[in-house]
Amino acid sequence: GQNIDQPTEMTATEGAIVQINCTYQTSGFNGLFWYQQHAGEAPTFLSYNVLDGLEEKGRFSSFLSRSKGYSYLLLKELQMKDSASYLCAPLDSNYQLIWGAGTKLIIKP
Amino acid sequence: GAVVSQHPSRVICKSGTSVKIECRSLDFQATTMFWYRQFPKQSLMLMATSNEGSKATYEQGVEKDKFLINHASLTLSTLTVTSAHPEDSSFYICSARDLAGGHTDTQYFGPGTRLTVL
Repeated sequence: GQNIDQPTEMTATEGAIVQINCTYQTSGFNGLFWYQQHAGEAPTFLSYNVLDGLEEKGRFSSFLSRSKGYSYLLLKELQMKDSASYLCAPLDSNYQLIWGAGTKLIIKP
Repeated sequence: GAVVSQHPSRVICKSGTSVKIECRSLDFQATTMFWYRQFPKQSLMLMATSNEGSKATYEQGVEKDKFLINHASLTLSTLTVTSAHPEDSSFYICSARDLAGGHTDTQYFGPGTRLTVL
């Protein structure tokens, strides 16, 4: 079957760094997306990894290891506005996104 | 770039009525659009995949006669919830795939439509 495993909730302090891990099992693999979703809003695109390694984009970086079925999203210099859910979504062999419940990140001052 | 709009953002209707939700890609052409539903504190659930000029592909358990999808142009897809009932109350979100963008399979989401059926 297809499965996404992320922590349900994480808490971090403003200005700090947090890493959100994701392990996945899919039927085929065509890359992995990270989305941010604020409460009551639609998801917004953060990153896409298809090759192993680290992709850096400003304060956010995403890492992928295809052999391990593992990815993480690294958020640096946390701001209060980063409080949101972070969704790890791999793309399966049919190019369909597989969604988990996401990780709710709470930022404290 | 890659902006998707959705209208209306919020709708309240009586049980038994039909509601139409529009999804538009504003600055790109989207041959494929997706319709999702999300209940509070739950993950996104794909309802159907809509390809321009052809019939939508519905996910298992989604009634195609209840959730009518029309993708008449490369920038517009509509979802009509027919004979809505309170259990249809949810957050409906569309997304569009920008094949011309740097990430060929990136889905860009509309802002969502919150439907409340009384």
